Amino acid sequence: EPEVTQTPSHQVTQMGQEVILRCVPISNHLYFYWYRQILGQKVEFLVSFYNNEISEKSEIFDDQFSVERPDGSNFTLKIRSTKLEDSAMYFCASEAGGSQPQHFGDGTRLSIL
Amino acid sequence: AQSVAQPEDQVNVAEGNPLTVKCTYSVSGNPYLFWYVQYPNRGLQFLLKYITGDNLVKGSYGFEAEFNKSQTSFHLKKPSALVSDSALYFCAVRDLYSGNTPLVFGKGTRLSVIA
Repeated sequence: EPEVTQTPSHQVTQMGQEVILRCVPISNHLYFYWYRQILGQKVEFLVSFYNNEISEKSEIFDDQFSVERPDGSNFTLKIRSTKLEDSAMYFCASEAGGSQPQHFGDGTRLSIL
Repeated sequence: AQSVAQPEDQVNVAEGNPLTVKCTYSVSGNPYLFWYVQYPNRGLQFLLKYITGDNLVKGSYGFEAEFNKSQTSFHLKKPSALVSDSALYFCAVRDLYSGNTPLVFGKGTRLSVIA
């Protein structure tokens, strides 16, 4: 069964540094999402992406965040200048559309020191 | 705006007994409801969904969920729990007719099945 894959599984970065989290969605899916889960808390929506542009974003997704789909397969989340509070598990999800569910990757654990 | 409440942080059940994980929701339009399961160090794995039709929906691994419109609930159930069902369970909702919008999740319920 096709899967959403995310790399790296764990990223440790110094505060203020840039990080790029990578995702390869399921190949025929059209809608892409990033969520995050701070340890012990609920899963929170960050941003959705469709037709090569952001379709919706949450208040968490400020100017430090950006997304792109540079080559038609990878879907990346960039945090330009990381803060301690960015430490979380980041999940990528993709969706075929219609009434199909979102499929999630195994996540990237981001640790900011 | 949509919201989901999972009133129990933890549910403990003996192996072989029935289990229920509770979820209530709030949505302005018609609900599109989901249950996901998260095993340690893994992503969210889709279990089942409700769109319309029969109020009892069946999903993966013997799980089912009952939609109750009057109580705005979507409780997850399984007739006979297994130790391997121990995991974190998330209920999620979105408005059915708002298109492909983000999911709104509950805070999760940790299920422990004891042998």
